[in-house]
Amino acid sequence: QKEVEQDPGPLSVPEGAIVSLNCTYSNSAFQYFMWYRQYSRKGPELLMYTYSSGNKEDGRFTAQVDKSSKYISLFIRDSQPSDSATYLCAMRDNNNDMRFGAGTRLTVKP
Amino acid sequence: DSGVTQTPKHLITATGQRVTLRCSPRSGDLSVYWYQQSLDQGLQFLIQYYNGEERAKGNILERFSAQQFPDLHSELNLSSLELGDSALYFCASSPGTGYIQYFGAGTRLSVL
Repeated sequence: QKEVEQDPGPLSVPEGAIVSLNCTYSNSAFQYFMWYRQYSRKGPELLMYTYSSGNKEDGRFTAQVDKSSKYISLFIRDSQPSDSATYLCAMRDNNNDMRFGAGTRLTVKP
Repeated sequence: DSGVTQTPKHLITATGQRVTLRCSPRSGDLSVYWYQQSLDQGLQFLIQYYNGEERAKGNILERFSAQQFPDLHSELNLSSLELGDSALYFCASSPGTGYIQYFGAGTRLSVL
């Protein structure tokens, strides 16, 4: 079993839809949770960064962390074609040991 | 633009060869991280350097080595290359340890 599980998709939605991306993890030592967006042939870029459980909102993006369930989510509201990319979850413990999910490939169709 | 520069962008070589990948971190960042991304393995952490010293090691093969120089740029050396080493290699940097990492555009390595 991988430490971080993420459905690779692909996920295809119409423009304007609400997108839900999720990861589960097994290591309870993870304290910091991140979402990266990676466009084709580019490096990952940080979208959201949260510490411990709770919600964080930034524009059309909301990150949720439920440590009791070892489950994190990223919601994208009013999705746009420019949101088409691969989304990677990442998490880190206090020893800076970082793990990434496999990435979910998202396509938003106009 | 993340501010992290990786060269070359593409590298094509043969099995058994040795290559060097270069990374220049963002100005002021002391930590450099190396990752391998392949289709079947996702993004795998290889190694981290902080201010010239090795700080953390991940799934890095013995055929691979890295170093960080006094000017903070880093090089990843891959030797005795195998077909399975074909992947995207990313460098990331951060101000210190435990900070948000900023990724370069990657080096695409093809081993033929």
